[in-house]
Amino acid sequence: EVQLVESGGGLVQPGGSLRLSCAASGFTFSTYWMSWVRQAPGKGLEWVANIKQDGGEKYYVDSVKGRFTISRDNAKNSLDLQMSSLRAEDTAVYYCARDLHVTTVTTFDYWGQGTLVTVSS
Amino acid sequence: EIVLTQSPGTLSLSPGEGATLSCRASQSVSSNYLAWYQQKPGQAPRLLIHDAFNRATGIPDRFSGSGSGTDFTLTISRLEPEDFAVYYCQQYGSSPRMYTFGQGTKLEIK
Repeated sequence: EVQLVESGGGLVQPGGSLRLSCAASGFTFSTYWMSWVRQAPGKGLEWVANIKQDGGEKYYVDSVKGRFTISRDNAKNSLDLQMSSLRAEDTAVYYCARDLHVTTVTTFDYWGQGTLVTVSS
Repeated sequence: EIVLTQSPGTLSLSPGEGATLSCRASQSVSSNYLAWYQQKPGQAPRLLIHDAFNRATGIPDRFSGSGSGTDFTLTISRLEPEDFAVYYCQQYGSSPRMYTFGQGTKLEIK
């Protein structure tokens, strides 16, 4: 059974840093693109970042470029999101998500349960 | 960047009725890279449709996707009580490999 379990969320002050992790199991992690998607309280979904199977390609939404870094450890089946210079508008539930297909451009079929990040003084 | 606009914002219907949800893109979506998700309160989104019209695994056939270019539609043929939720469309690109979501349509019980 495919499982994605996020951790690392919490309360952080504006300007602070936080590292999120996603533990993957039930599939061959190293063969899939992975993404982070967030959802501010009561708002819609926003894709944040993704990373290629070998970590060689990474993309970010403009609002987090230069502040967030996505990474993965295929040996540990783990996906991370290092967040710095956090702002109030980064407050959201952060989901990790797996691509539907291994090779073709595609959307997400499995999502974690999410971890809440609150940026507030 | 492609902007997706969903309509209506809220749709009030009764169980057994049919629902039609619209998603319009600001420019043509290449290769029909368009997906639909369902989200219920406190839950992660659930993939319904990918590549404009392909149902995801385990999705009932009362859900169907259609459209191409800039106009896409999610149709639910006979609403079940569990179908009342928020629905999002999403487009995905290949170069660069990025994603955008629509703002959502809330399907509520009338």
